[in-house]
Amino acid sequence: DIRMTQFPSSLSASVGDRVTITCRASQSISGYLNWYQLKPGKAPKFLIYSASTLQSGVPLRFSGSGSGADFTLTISNLQPEDSATYYCQQSYSTPLTFGGGTKVEIE
Amino acid sequence: QVRLQESGPRLVKPSETLFLTCSVSGASIYKDYWTWIRQPPGKGLEWIGYFHYNGNTNYNPSLTSRVTISVDRSKNEVSLRIFSVTAADTAVYYCARGAYDSGSYYADFWGQGTQVTVSS
Repeated sequence: DIRMTQFPSSLSASVGDRVTITCRASQSISGYLNWYQLKPGKAPKFLIYSASTLQSGVPLRFSGSGSGADFTLTISNLQPEDSATYYCQQSYSTPLTFGGGTKVEIE
Repeated sequence: QVRLQESGPRLVKPSETLFLTCSVSGASIYKDYWTWIRQPPGKGLEWIGYFHYNGNTNYNPSLTSRVTISVDRSKNEVSLRIFSVTAADTAVYYCARGAYDSGSYYADFWGQGTQVTVSS
């Protein structure tokens, strides 16, 4: 199985800040990387696929980059509603696997 | 708009079968990869598997001997069965619609999830 490692596991930032979350795969996964946003009690939200393609309706302050084994999710101009846990997921091979998550808190 | 709603027992006894259904609206059960994902308490997400009506079914090897995902086209529902459950199967269970785009899989719509506890 491909192991996905995310860091940091949590961060705290202020409204308007730029935050970056890193996701590293245990092997090259080309660009087969997705990002999701989870909030307690709500349906998870799909943000980005193929490492950098924004899903329709996702605010433009979200962006993704990377290829091979290293990827990042960046949130520019952090907003209060961005408080959530973010997960990366590889779709290079099954079993599909997720990173351990990064909890973003707003100061 | 695609909407998914999971339902089923909140409490299951050890060694019994966990059975959940996912009601699908706004999408055809004949298309896409109907997916189950779970999150044990305090842990990350685990992909359980997916079912496609064309017969393409894929399960996580860690569960493949105990899991079945199927669809009921008359009800537009997706179901999940996990046999011989233990406390390790305690989790929030999510139903999701999966799709492939240029070889890349993603789950673009999810249900809110349902908590299942395995305990006697």
